[in-house]
Order: sequence, then structure tokens, then C-alpha cells
Amino acid sequence: AQRVTQPEKLLSVFKGAPVELKCNYSYSGSPELFWYVQYSRQRLQLLLRHISRESIKGFTADLNKGETSFHLKKPFAQEEDSAMYYCALDTGRRALTFGSGTRLQVQP
Amino acid sequence: DAGVIQSPRHEVTEMGQEVTLRCKPISGHDYLFWYRQTMMRGLELLIYFNNNVPIDDSGMPEDRFSAKMPNASFSTLKIQPSEPRDSAVYFCASKDRGPGKLLFGSGTQLSVL
Repeated sequence: AQRVTQPEKLLSVFKGAPVELKCNYSYSGSPELFWYVQYSRQRLQLLLRHISRESIKGFTADLNKGETSFHLKKPFAQEEDSAMYYCALDTGRRALTFGSGTRLQVQP
Repeated sequence: DAGVIQSPRHEVTEMGQEVTLRCKPISGHDYLFWYRQTMMRGLELLIYFNNNVPIDDSGMPEDRFSAKMPNASFSTLKIQPSEPRDSAVYFCASKDRGPGKLLFGSGTQLSVL
């Protein structure tokens, strides 16, 4: 069965420091991976998807099939990045499997 | 479009009572999902529908949970009887038939005392 693992429940960094939110998945086929973000008092929303290979709000994520990882990175954290981040996997059955989430706290 | 609309935003009830959560998906979306969010387990898929038909309900915790989608613009998630361990935020989301993103509602914060 497919699974998404986010090993850190909380990641606390200082403003300007690099950020890496870890995500590992298990799935034998060709996955499609996403990062969703939930800012305080806002809806859960899509941040980025691996097939787009885009940078959103300075965040990037590269799919590493060898390591089955899809870590989210940003070189310089900002206070407004503080939020809950979820990694998600689409195996083609249309429903996403989410990880347990990582809360990012960016301190001034 | 106002997006996915969920009601109520907050629900406080006593153990043993019936709880009904409601969702109006985005018009034209073929898929509707119910997720539950807790601190310990994150976001768990409960059930999803395609064209109003339940496709996968393997995530529904037990028989106390049931979901319906009588038409393309409305779905309910019912818990009867409710228990304190059901306390969580319940999200509804919808998407169209393509490989697009899920659009989430604001969620219902359920507290069972």
C-alpha cells in the first residue's frame, strides 16, 4: 500500500536560515507528488507539484525516485512561511494520500 | 465561485449524539473527498466519490461513520453515535476529472464531549 512519511512534526528555524521539510514515500509505480500548505486560519492549498518543476514562494522540491523522497526546500526562510506543510502522493486513483504533516515555525 | 463550502464551521456535541457534516463542492467537479485531520495522524482520507458514487470508503473508521452524495452539489458525513475520539477537523475537498489539484473547504471543527 502507498504511504507518505514526514518524520518531523515540528521544524523551527530562524528567519534567513535554509529550510528543508522531509518527505519520503512508498509506492511501486510512478507517483505524482505534491506539497500542500495550511497557513493559520486559511484553507489547505496546493503549494507545488513535482511535474511542474516550478518554484513557488521560493520553495522547490525535487523528486528523487532512487531515495523515494520529495523534500521541500527554501534557501532563506521568512516569517510568513510559518505554516503546516503536508506532502501528498497521487497513485492515479485520484485520492491523495497525505503525510502526517510538519509544522514550520520561522522565528524572527 | 465561493469554493468548497462546508457547514457548520464548528460543532460541539455530547457523546452519543448524532453529528452531520455538510459539503457543497465546486460546480463541475466530478470528485469529492472527505478527510479527517488530527494532531497525531495528520490528514486521513475517509471516503471519496466520483460522479456521486462512493469509490473507496476503506478509510471510514467504523460503522458509526457514513457518507452520502445524493447529487452533484451536496454531500454529508454522519457520525452516529459520536464519541470523544471522533474530535477532529473534518475537511471536504473536490476536484475535476483531470489530474488537477484538490480544492479544500474551510473544514468543520468537531468536538465531542
